[in-house]
Amino acid sequence: SAVISQKPSRDICQRGTSLTIQCQVDSQVTMMFWYRQQPGQSLTLIATANQGSEATYESGFVIDKFPISRPNLTFSTLTVSNMSPEDSSIYLCSVTSSGNTIYFGEGSWLTVV
Amino acid sequence: DAKTTQPPSMDCAEGRAANLPCNHSTISGNEYVYWYRQIHSQGPQYIIHGLKNNETNEMASLIITEDRKSSTLILPHATLRDTAVYYCIVGGSDSWGKLQFGAGTQVVVTP
Repeated sequence: SAVISQKPSRDICQRGTSLTIQCQVDSQVTMMFWYRQQPGQSLTLIATANQGSEATYESGFVIDKFPISRPNLTFSTLTVSNMSPEDSSIYLCSVTSSGNTIYFGEGSWLTVV
Repeated sequence: DAKTTQPPSMDCAEGRAANLPCNHSTISGNEYVYWYRQIHSQGPQYIIHGLKNNETNEMASLIITEDRKSSTLILPHATLRDTAVYYCIVGGSDSWGKLQFGAGTQVVVTP
């Protein structure tokens, strides 16, 4: 199985600021994804983090608001830009591993005040 | 919209088997059935997945009907630590890795 570390695990941010979340995997993986889980809701896919190229965003999510980097096969970042209280969520990184298995990190809890 | 339908909640007695149903009537031939659970304040934990055949691992068993339109996750001996939201998700090679989560089933295991 893949071990996924996310940083920060939790943060409180001022509205209007930006925060970058890191996702580090202990092995090379083919695909990495970013999800958002708003309070009391299920998970929603934000984008696919593509290695060496621009991320692929799902409907309702745009690069200006959620820029994503993936410089190599073990690391990705998600930035939440110009935050508002509506961005208060858990942000989760997931990766695909061998045997079609998909693993999630523990998430980054973001509160915007 | 999610491709699966699950009951919103179910209770289970500690030590008994928990059988969690899931309907996925529109599943296509190359789509897998995945099960995850999420305990409050944690990331989703992978449980098991399957394509056609029944699967078993150290956590659970997955029973998929022959027509693949529904499945059941079985926790053989539920413990209090199995209290969580359980998600049944379908995903395939054309969208490999991209999981569409529904509302899941809130399972409460009681002493």
